[in-house]
Amino acid sequence: AQSVSQHNHHVILSEAASLELGCNYSYGGTVNLFWYVQYPGQHLQLLLKYFSGDPLVKGIKGFEAEFIKSKFSFNLRKPSVQWSDTAEYFCAVNDRGATNKLIFGTGTLLAVQP
Amino acid sequence: DGGITQSPKYLFRKEGQNVTLSCEQNLNHDAMYWYRQDPGQGLRLIYYSQIVNDFQKGDIAEGYSVSREKKESFPLTVTSAQKNPTAFYICASSRQVSSYEQYFGPGTRLTVT
Repeated sequence: AQSVSQHNHHVILSEAASLELGCNYSYGGTVNLFWYVQYPGQHLQLLLKYFSGDPLVKGIKGFEAEFIKSKFSFNLRKPSVQWSDTAEYFCAVNDRGATNKLIFGTGTLLAVQP
Repeated sequence: DGGITQSPKYLFRKEGQNVTLSCEQNLNHDAMYWYRQDPGQGLRLIYYSQIVNDFQKGDIAEGYSVSREKKESFPLTVTSAQKNPTAFYICASSRQVSSYEQYFGPGTRLTVT
């Protein structure tokens, strides 16, 4: 069965620090990859996605992620975080099958201190 | 504005009672999904529907039921058979089977005592 691992459960950073959140998945076939963000009290929003092409994907609010197929990884990065980036971040994968089912990681709670 | 509506935001029920959570979308999406979110466990798929009058079980369907009588509506019933019903429930939709981006609703927090 597919699974998604997010190794950082809780990350605390100061403003202007760089961010990297890890995401690894287990699936041998072709996948689509997503990062979603959930700000406090708000619904899940798409941060960025990878379907094919350039493995370095740029998303909203200065976030980017790199798909490394050989490592089954899709890590999220941001060079300089802001207090407003405080949120929970979820990595998700689907297998491009007919069901369009998303498998989510357990999430990483990011707290940015001013 | 197009989007997904879930009501109510907070719901309280006594143990042993069934409760139905609503989900409405005006995005004209074919596919709809129900997820359950628990602290430290991410989102887990309960049920999904690719088309009206059809739905399939997700990974944790036991104790839940759904219906899809209209394209825009996908209500979820949490039955008394669900052993740990207290959770945050999120509805989502996507355009078609071939469209992989899902859009999420604001969620309903259900507390059963």
